[in-house]
Amino acid sequence: DQQVKQNSPSLSVQEGRISILNCDYTNSMFDYFLWYKKYPAEGPTFLISISSIKDKNEDGRFTVFLNKSAKHLSLHIVPSQPGDSAVYFCAALESQGNLIFGKGTKLSVKP
Amino acid sequence: EPEVTQTPSHQVTQMGQEVILRCVPISNHLYFYWYRQILGQKVEFLVSFYNNEISEKSEIFDDQFSVERPDGSNFTLKIRSTKLEDSAMYFCASSEAPARTEAFFGQGTRLTVV
Repeated sequence: DQQVKQNSPSLSVQEGRISILNCDYTNSMFDYFLWYKKYPAEGPTFLISISSIKDKNEDGRFTVFLNKSAKHLSLHIVPSQPGDSAVYFCAALESQGNLIFGKGTKLSVKP
Repeated sequence: EPEVTQTPSHQVTQMGQEVILRCVPISNHLYFYWYRQILGQKVEFLVSFYNNEISEKSEIFDDQFSVERPDGSNFTLKIRSTKLEDSAMYFCASSEAPARTEAFFGQGTRLTVV
């Protein structure tokens, strides 16, 4: 069973435009979410997080939105840059600290 | 910038052999984790470790797996008798606290069982 779902395996965006990566979850007990970025041959790198008491968290070009009623979150990158090309993982944090990851979305930003 | 380091970067082993994957977490972190990613699949939680004992483990982490923090700096994952399906990228991670802080991941060890 997939508790964290990223239904788009890939996304292609033109440089300078907005990238929107989506994530859905099924467990309403989750109350903290994280986005990780992963380049080939490297481990996941933390990008941004959001607590369920918020609906938005912004850090530079990256903004995460949380819609609790829809059990949906999204990561917006604007403007997108070629260096943003990577696999993006949505993850939910369980109480013991372990992460439940989605399958990832491969973002390609074209110059 | 502090980082989690893993060795080796790539390990090839014969089926049935024991392997030990090594990790050096960030020095002031107290919580340690192992995850794995089978090629083409999602990153999956294996085990968490705190205060010299396992905090939580997934269904994947059966009797063939064990973890240890032998000397206060290394954190190891041992697979006693490897199977073909153990082939995956294994990621070590550490965090200051289990909740509300991000985990930092190592670059991974690619395990290939032949």
